[in-house]
Amino acid sequence: KNQVEQSPQSLIILEGKNCTLQCNYTVSPFSNLRWYKQDTGRGPVSLTIMTFSENTKSNGRYTATLDADTKQSSLHITASQLSDSASYICVVSAKTNAGKSTFGDGTTLTVKP
Amino acid sequence: EAQVTQNPRYLITVTGKKLTVTCSQNMNHEYMSWYRQDPGLGLRQIYYSMNVEVTDKGDVPEGYKVSRKEKRNFPLILESPSPNQTSLYFCASSPSTAGFNEQFFGPGTRLTVL
Repeated sequence: KNQVEQSPQSLIILEGKNCTLQCNYTVSPFSNLRWYKQDTGRGPVSLTIMTFSENTKSNGRYTATLDADTKQSSLHITASQLSDSASYICVVSAKTNAGKSTFGDGTTLTVKP
Repeated sequence: EAQVTQNPRYLITVTGKKLTVTCSQNMNHEYMSWYRQDPGLGLRQIYYSMNVEVTDKGDVPEGYKVSRKEKRNFPLILESPSPNQTSLYFCASSPSTAGFNEQFFGPGTRLTVL
């Protein structure tokens, strides 16, 4: 069964600090991996999309990495801001299952002043 | 403004009373999908559509129906709602037929079934 596991479940950091969120998946054959940011009560917003051949992708202070061999991805947030407080969701799609995506349960990040 | 809209945003109803949640996108996207989000469970896919008149089941389709008669609209129908369908629902669209690209999510519909 295709699965996506994220860690930690929740994280609290001080404003200005960096943090890294983890995503491990078993989805196969791999098509792409997406990171979304979801503010409380709102729809997710895309941060990055990575295919098999991409190791790193950045979007401002957000940098995602992908190791397709170990089936791991990370999302690194640099110089955190209060507005980074949100849930971060890892989503993986398989080539053979067009239309379906497997979502992780998300990591809830709280940035404190 | 490019967007996905959902209506209603909030709905309280009673068991067994048929309801429809509408979803519309103005980006000419091929792919649309419905998800539900429950505390501690993350987003789960209900149904998706890769093109007009083409729909398919996601991971949790029981108790739901959808239709895709035109590209921009993808309504979610609950024929006989039950309390276990109380949830936060999101509609999403994507330019690629398989949804592999970035998905754009609507603002969500919070449904309570009493």
